Amino acid sequence: QKEVEQNSGPLSVPEGAIASLNCTYSDRGSQSFFWYRQYSGKSPELIMFIYSNGDKEDGRFTAQLNKASQYVSLLIRDSQPSDSATYLCAVNQNDMRFGAGTRLTVKP
Amino acid sequence: DTEVTQTPKHLVMGMTNKKSLKCEQHMGHRAMYWYKQKAKKPPELMFVYSYEKLSINESVPSRFSPECPNSSLLNLHLHALQPEDSALYLCASSPGAGYTFGSGTRLTVV
Repeated sequence: QKEVEQNSGPLSVPEGAIASLNCTYSDRGSQSFFWYRQYSGKSPELIMFIYSNGDKEDGRFTAQLNKASQYVSLLIRDSQPSDSATYLCAVNQNDMRFGAGTRLTVKP
Repeated sequence: DTEVTQTPKHLVMGMTNKKSLKCEQHMGHRAMYWYKQKAKKPPELMFVYSYEKLSINESVPSRFSPECPNSSLLNLHLHALQPEDSALYLCASSPGAGYTFGSGTRLTVV
């Protein structure tokens, strides 16, 4: 079983829609969870982190964490073409472990 | 300064060459990392330095040799690499959680 699992996509949404990205993790003792955005040929960029169960909002982004279900999600509201990228879910155990990433395309 | 700076940005080397990748941060972060990323794959952890000491080595071949001269610098020495080692090499630093990545070194081994 992989430590961090994501649907690889691709996920395609129209401009203005809500994009929903999902992630599950295997280590029940994990405490901190991150979403990185990576544009093609570029390095990952941290966009959200969450430590507690529930929702955390930052602008158009909302991270959701359910530790009982070992599930993390990222919602992007009012999606823009500039949001088109690969989104990496990461879980910090002793070090950062990444999921395979979900490729998101926002169509104008 | 909130950046992690990596040099060079691109590197082409032969299988008999010796080269070094460099990483620098001035955010006071005491943990620094090397990751390797192949195309369309997630970053894979190679090495972790904590307080300038190597704390994690993910069974990386000895042709990769990390070095942490001080709390701001991290090097990755390369020797006798193989074509399959061609990848994006990412350096990151962390204050404890949440990493800041450098822009990476695109390495091609010919």
